[in-house]
Amino acid sequence: DIQMTQSPSSLSASVGDRVTITCRASQGISNSLAWYQQKPGKAPKLLLYAASRLESGVPSRFSGSGSGTDYTLTISSLQPEDFATYYCQQYYSTPGYTFGQGTKLEIK
Amino acid sequence: EVQLVQSGAEVKKPGESLRISCKGSGYSFTSYWISWVRQMPGKGLEWMGRIDPSDSYTNYSPSFQGHVTISADKSISTAYLQWSSLKASDTAMYYCAVAGWLVRADAFDIWGQGTMVTVSS
Repeated sequence: DIQMTQSPSSLSASVGDRVTITCRASQGISNSLAWYQQKPGKAPKLLLYAASRLESGVPSRFSGSGSGTDYTLTISSLQPEDFATYYCQQYYSTPGYTFGQGTKLEIK
Repeated sequence: EVQLVQSGAEVKKPGESLRISCKGSGYSFTSYWISWVRQMPGKGLEWMGRIDPSDSYTNYSPSFQGHVTISADKSISTAYLQWSSLKASDTAMYYCAVAGWLVRADAFDIWGQGTMVTVSS
């Protein structure tokens, strides 16, 4: 199985801050990476796929980049509704999908 | 509207059996694999397995193979996740999800609302 390691596991930030979350795969995944946002008591929501493609309706302050084994999710200017937990997921090794352990983004 | 609607919360005792469901609507049910994802309390997301509703072919994560059974009834656009003998460690939220309906990638773009399963004596 491909292991996905996210960092940090938690992050405190303020409204308006720029934040970056990192996801590292145990082997190259050729940009087959998705990012999800999950709020308490809700199902995850797809934000980006193919490492950098924005899902329809997702604000442009979210962006993704990376290649090979290392990927990042950036939120350019945090809004109050962005405080949530974020997960990366690889789909290179289908059907062995694997998720990162999550990054909890909290208000400072 | 494209949606997956899951069955309601369950409270069971260890050793009991259980089947939870996920009904798809608003799209061609047999055209997209349905996956199940576990989230234990306060923990992250784990992919359990998936089914092709057109022929009921399944794939399982090695971590869940033999512990659960995934099935589907395409005549009623419903997928199922089943346990024959629950354990306390099965206590979790379970989500069904579809990949690639809107996005041209194997990412989960449709999710059910989740079914909470509590196993306690």
